[in-house]
Amino acid sequence: GQQVMQIPQYQHVQEGEDFTTYCNSSTTLSNIQWYKQRPGGHPVFLIQLVKSGEVKKQKRLTFQFGEAKKNSSLHITATQTTDVGTYFCAGHDNYGQNFVFGPGTRLSVLP
Amino acid sequence: DAGVTQSPTHLIKTRGQQVTLRCSPKSGHDTVSWYQQALGQGPQFIFQYYEEEERQRGNFPDRFSGHQFPNYSSELNVNALLLGDSALYLCASSFSDSLGEPQHFGDGTRLSIL
Repeated sequence: GQQVMQIPQYQHVQEGEDFTTYCNSSTTLSNIQWYKQRPGGHPVFLIQLVKSGEVKKQKRLTFQFGEAKKNSSLHITATQTTDVGTYFCAGHDNYGQNFVFGPGTRLSVLP
Repeated sequence: DAGVTQSPTHLIKTRGQQVTLRCSPKSGHDTVSWYQQALGQGPQFIFQYYEEEERQRGNFPDRFSGHQFPNYSSELNVNALLLGDSALYLCASSFSDSLGEPQHFGDGTRLSIL
């Protein structure tokens, strides 16, 4: 079945440093969504990418969808303590039958 | 504008028992999905309900069943509970069952099996 992996599993950064998490799917995705879950909270939708090679920006966050639609990345510029949380990618396979979350990347930001 | 609400917040059960979890979707949403999130893991898709029917199902046994009511609220039922069913159960709502609709999550029900 479809598998979605994320690396790294954990990332500790100093406030002000950049952060990147990578998402890789075993199958081609029809779309990819990114969610953020704060400690003790629930996942919150950040963005969706649909087109091959698509790049979207939200303030300090930059999201990319790979040309083959099998991978994606989230880059945060100049991290802040409010960025702390676990970032999940999730996507539908091309048949639209499975909506699979990756295991997440947990980001810690040291002040 | 109320978001997704789930009840109860916490629940403790013993092996073999049955449990029912409840979810009210965000106002204006008609589709409800259920997820199981084990500690330190990503949410695992259980199933999705739209127009009172199960539309999609993840890799979960038949012990997991659900229902959607005419007011779009939903229930998740789990029979013959196992220790491995201990997890955070998240409900998410969206507008329509179309691919790519953002999922709006509730705070979840923390289920502990003793």
